[in-house]
Amino acid sequence: NAGVTQTPKFRILKIGQSMTLQCTQDMNHNYMYWYRQDPGMGLKLIYYSVGAGITDKGEVPNGYNVSRSTTEDFPLRLELAAPSQTSVYFCASRPGTGGYEQYFGPGTRLTVT
Amino acid sequence: GDSVTQMEGPVTLSEEAFLTINCTYTATGYPSLFWYVQYPGEGLQLLLKATKADDKGSNKGFEATYRKETTSFHLEKGSVQVSDSAVYFCALLTGGGNKLTFGTGTQLKVEL
Repeated sequence: NAGVTQTPKFRILKIGQSMTLQCTQDMNHNYMYWYRQDPGMGLKLIYYSVGAGITDKGEVPNGYNVSRSTTEDFPLRLELAAPSQTSVYFCASRPGTGGYEQYFGPGTRLTVT
Repeated sequence: GDSVTQMEGPVTLSEEAFLTINCTYTATGYPSLFWYVQYPGEGLQLLLKATKADDKGSNKGFEATYRKETTSFHLEKGSVQVSDSAVYFCALLTGGGNKLTFGTGTQLKVEL
């Protein structure tokens, strides 16, 4: 049982490039989340999903897109990378019932230069 | 809107010292409250939680009591260890379980 896994661990992008951050969970959780963590700040919600085929915006969605075609996977897409997107990105998941604890992945550190 | 305010760090303590990290919140309704811990290079892990007023969450020697009258959820530990060095985040949950609002985090350093 690997929990929540994220790839890659680190990535450097040039301004204007695009990339997809991968997130997979093997706990059959309905809910999945993407957060970003800026230095000295708490986590801010980018997008979330309540199940396959259903996504919704969080607090800071601009510049990002998501999709949820399966229960396990919730990729985050950056189309035109900007320096303001330099951050650490965390994916999380939780079951649909039985509590609200979110389980976090190890994070992806992204630098845009 | 919802918000969480934590004491700024870093907090530096000697091993076996008493720890308090203050957390206060602003929210409508009756949020659930959490403390998460982040060890270096890792994701966040749930440390403890409380879902209603006067509940006490506890885990690994850490405790926090949900105080509705003071809108607080302070984290305490009677005797810290070097292995407790990490960043601690206070968070509240609203929005039907999908809106987790975090504080800015408090870094704890425990020295021998």
